[in-house]
Amino acid sequence: EIVMTQSPATLSVSPGERATLSCRASQSISSNLAWYQQKPGQAPRLLIYGASTRATGIPARISGSGSGTEFTLTISSLQSEDFAVYYCQQYNNWPPWTFGQGTKVEIK
Amino acid sequence: QVQLVESGGGVVQPGTSLRLSCAASGFTFSSHGMHWVRQTPGKGLEWVAVIWYDGSNKYYADSVKGRFTISRDNSKNTLYLQMNSLRDEDTAIYYCARGRLYFDLWGRGTLVTVSS
Repeated sequence: EIVMTQSPATLSVSPGERATLSCRASQSISSNLAWYQQKPGQAPRLLIYGASTRATGIPARISGSGSGTEFTLTISSLQSEDFAVYYCQQYNNWPPWTFGQGTKVEIK
Repeated sequence: QVQLVESGGGVVQPGTSLRLSCAASGFTFSSHGMHWVRQTPGKGLEWVAVIWYDGSNKYYADSVKGRFTISRDNSKNTLYLQMNSLRDEDTAIYYCARGRLYFDLWGRGTLVTVSS
């Protein structure tokens, strides 16, 4: 089973600043990585797949990068609607499909 | 409107059974693989099971293998999760999600609480 590790657990950022979230896989997953955003009381929403392809309707300020074992989600200028929990998920080796434990982006 | 709506959650005792449903609308359900994913405060998101678009393949997490069964009725645009021999650790919000490799549409979830 591939273990996904996200860091940091919590990121405190001021509106308008850049947020950089990390996700590491326990073995190479090529570019088979997705990112999701989850707000309180809501289901996760797909942001990025293929490590860097934005899903439909996702703004350009949200971007993904990386391959192999190291991945990054960047939000270039945080808006109020971006404060949420973010999860990475690998789909290179399945089953099982595995998620990271999440990074909470909170207002500084 | 493209959406998934789960139902069937509730409070049950350990060792009992429950069946969850997920009603799909606004898209061609029979063309998509479907998953169940659950979420607990302590363990985050955990993949549970997947079924191929035509029901030809099914896979399960080790934690539920032999106890849970995923199925679908493409004529009714509905996904199911039969959960038997429920345990305390199965307590979670259960989401259905569309996709084969990653999940591009999620339902709002249904809460399952296993407690004596």
